[in-house]
Parts: sequence; structure tokens; C-alpha cells
Amino acid sequence: AQSVTQLGSHVSVSEGALVLLRCNYSSSVPPYLFWYVQYPNQGLQLLLKYTTGATLVKGINGFEAEFKKSETSFHLTKPSAHMSDAAEYFCAVSVGGTASKLTFGTGTRLQVTL
Amino acid sequence: NAGVMQNPRHLVRRRGQEARLRCSPMKGHSHVYWYRQLPEEGLKFMVYLQKENIIDESGMPKERFSAEFPKEGPSILRIQQVVRGDSAAYFCASSSYEAFAGNTIYFGEGSWLTVV
Repeated sequence: AQSVTQLGSHVSVSEGALVLLRCNYSSSVPPYLFWYVQYPNQGLQLLLKYTTGATLVKGINGFEAEFKKSETSFHLTKPSAHMSDAAEYFCAVSVGGTASKLTFGTGTRLQVTL
Repeated sequence: NAGVMQNPRHLVRRRGQEARLRCSPMKGHSHVYWYRQLPEEGLKFMVYLQKENIIDESGMPKERFSAEFPKEGPSILRIQQVVRGDSAAYFCASSSYEAFAGNTIYFGEGSWLTVV
């Protein structure tokens, strides 16, 4: 069975600083990997996803993530944080070619300070 | 173009009562998924439905929980005889066809169930 570990339940960065949210996965077969963002009292919005091909994936709002098979990681980054990035971020994995049965991490709450 | 609509957004039930959560998928979507988020945990898959069919219910608790997606109307997640451990956020998602990796599923804003 697949699993996802997000290191750090809370991350705080200054506005303009680099954002790095860590995600490690466990899967016995090639995974499909996703990052979702959840703003307060809202649903989850897909930031980006890795299926096959290029391992550096670019998403919305300036975020990107790199799939590193050797490290079983899919860390999310953004060069310069903005106040509007404050939210909860979830990493997820699916296997078997379907995105319907996702396994989520426990989430990382990103705080952006002035 | 409305997104996935869930209601109620917040529901309070006493132990032993029934909870019904409704989900209207995005227009044109015929595939619905329910996920549950327990406090301090990630979302967990519960069930995947198409119109009038349950495709995968491997994440549903064996007792008290049921889901349906009728030909007409919203999908319903029903929890009978609720217990405190059912307190959670329940998220619905939908897609236009089966959510293969190239497709995207769209989440609603969630329904927060509190059992007192």
C-alpha cells in the first residue's frame, strides 16, 4: 500500500523568502503525485501533479515540485512567498493509473509573515 | 459555472442520530468521490460512485455508513447512529470521467460534522 509523509505540520516563512514543503512517499509501483492547497473554509485546489515524463513539474501560483525517485520525494517549492500563500498544503499519491483513490499526507500549514 | 456543492457546510448531531451529507457534482460530471478528514489527519478515501452505481467502497466503514448517487439529484453520504468518532470533515469530489492520472478531480468545500 502507498503512503505519504509530510515533514513539518507547520512552516513559517517571511514574505519574499523561499517556500519549501517536504513530501516523501512510499509506493511499490510508480506513483502519481499531487499537491493540493486548502484555504480556510474552502475545498482543495490542485496545485500541480506528476504523472510521467519531466520530473520537474510547474503548477499554479508560481509553485513547482520535483519528483526524485531515488529519494522517494516530491517536495513543493516557491522562490518567493506571498502573503496570499498562507494555507494548508496536502501532498497525495495514487497508484494504478487512477487519480480517484488518493492517499493524502496529514498536511502542512504554511504561515507567511511580514 | 458552479463548482462541487456540498451541504450542509456544518452539521451538529447528537450521538445516535442520523447524518445526511449531500453533494452536487460540477455540471456535466457523473463521477463522485467521498473523502473523510479526521482531526489532525489527511483525507482518506471512502467511496467512488457513478450514477446509480457504487464503483469502489473499499474505504467505507463496514457499518452505519452508506452512499448513493441516484439518477437524479445529488449524491448522499448517510451515517446512521452517529458516534463521537464520526466527527470529521467530509469532502466530496467529482470528475467528468474516471479520474485517471491525466484527469483532475474537483473538490467541494466540505461538510463539517460534529457529534455531541
